Amino acid sequence: GAVVSQHPSRVICKSGTSVKIECRSLDFQATTMFWYRQFPKQSLMLMATSNEGSKATYEQGVEKDKFLINHASLTLSTLTVTSAHPEDSSFYICSARDAVGETQYFGPGTRLLVL
Amino acid sequence: KQEVTQIPAALSVPEGENLVLNCSFTDSAIYNLQWFRQDPGKGLTSLLLIQSSQREQTSGRLNASLDKSSGRSTLYIAASQPGDSATYLCAVRLGGSGSRLTFGEGTQLTVNP
Repeated sequence: GAVVSQHPSRVICKSGTSVKIECRSLDFQATTMFWYRQFPKQSLMLMATSNEGSKATYEQGVEKDKFLINHASLTLSTLTVTSAHPEDSSFYICSARDAVGETQYFGPGTRLLVL
Repeated sequence: KQEVTQIPAALSVPEGENLVLNCSFTDSAIYNLQWFRQDPGKGLTSLLLIQSSQREQTSGRLNASLDKSSGRSTLYIAASQPGDSATYLCAVRLGGSGSRLTFGEGTQLTVNP
């Protein structure tokens, strides 16, 4: 099946710094990518949807200036958490879908801990 | 607004038992429904995808059913194994292939050897 990778898998940073998370589709062209956040014992909450070459569409309550999303190519999307604070600590998961597919493929997730 | 509910939140069974996980959704006009597995600290693995026109899908020991009119889906796991221990998430998609997935909160399954 299709593979989606994320890097890094785990990151610890100091409050106030910025963190970039990469999401890559390894064997297909991801025309649409999704970024989710998951807090412990909770389900996935969609943060934003991005189409290659377009600005991301953010969900209500998600600050676009804090969570910068770039989807510059058909195989790469990045999420940058700017000026991270402890409350941003969470599990971030990306997902990708091609132009035809009905199934979304999910990355392995990135655990962010902000001290 | 679509809401997805999964019951039970947690389930612990002995190895070999057959079990059923439940998923309900409030808006029956779904495009498709998908069951995922999530291991601790990991991403999601797609298990089964059921289109709105389908009643069920099977893959190995897994069988997922869909009753759109009542807003319900079940995931049946036959002859459970310790390796089946994980969180199982149900997600529905409204309005076509380009629309978002709405997730339930999952059922945490533990299969005891």
